[in-house]
Amino acid sequence: KQEVTQIPAALSVPEGENLVLNCSFTDSAIYNLQWFRQDPGKGLTSLLLIQSSQREQTSGRLNASLDKSSGRSTLYIAASQPGDSATYLCAVRGVSSGSARQLTFGSGTQLTVLP
Amino acid sequence: NAGVTQTPKFQVLKTGQSMTLQCAQDMNHNSMYWYRQDPGMGLRLIYYSASEGTTDKGEVPNGYNVSRLNKREFSLRLESAAPSQTSVYFCASSGGSGYTFGSGTRLTVV
Repeated sequence: KQEVTQIPAALSVPEGENLVLNCSFTDSAIYNLQWFRQDPGKGLTSLLLIQSSQREQTSGRLNASLDKSSGRSTLYIAASQPGDSATYLCAVRGVSSGSARQLTFGSGTQLTVLP
Repeated sequence: NAGVTQTPKFQVLKTGQSMTLQCAQDMNHNSMYWYRQDPGMGLRLIYYSASEGTTDKGEVPNGYNVSRLNKREFSLRLESAAPSQTSVYFCASSGGSGYTFGSGTRLTVV
């Protein structure tokens, strides 16, 4: 069974810092990996999707990398802003049949960017 | 705006009552999902529908039923609500651009 771990569970940084959020998964046979953002009491907003054949994806100040062989992904946030404060979730989609092919989520990293 | 729409946003039920959570997507996605999110447990898959006319159990299906009414709509039914079903429920659909989630239904069973 796929397991997804996110470290750290919480992170507090001053505004302007560059930061890295980590995601690891136990089964490297993945279809893709997706990073989401969740604001308190809200739904999930997709940030970046990396297909298994890709190494990284970029959107604005966000860059996500994927190392399938080592079971790792990182989300890099450049020049952090208070508006980046949220919980960031990593989710992996498997290649096996049935429910194993669906998204498995990590427990998230709660990010606070201090003004 | 294209996306996934869930109703209702909030609901309080008494133990034993039934209700249906509605979900509709206008992204022309084949696959749809229901997740629940609980503190300390993360997001867990309840049921999914890989295509119109098919449904399958996820990780935590007990106490729930689903209906894939057509390509757009996927509903989740609680036949006899229990306090353990107090949670936030998310519907999602998936296509080439990954998963898109609705804004959630916060359900409290008292």
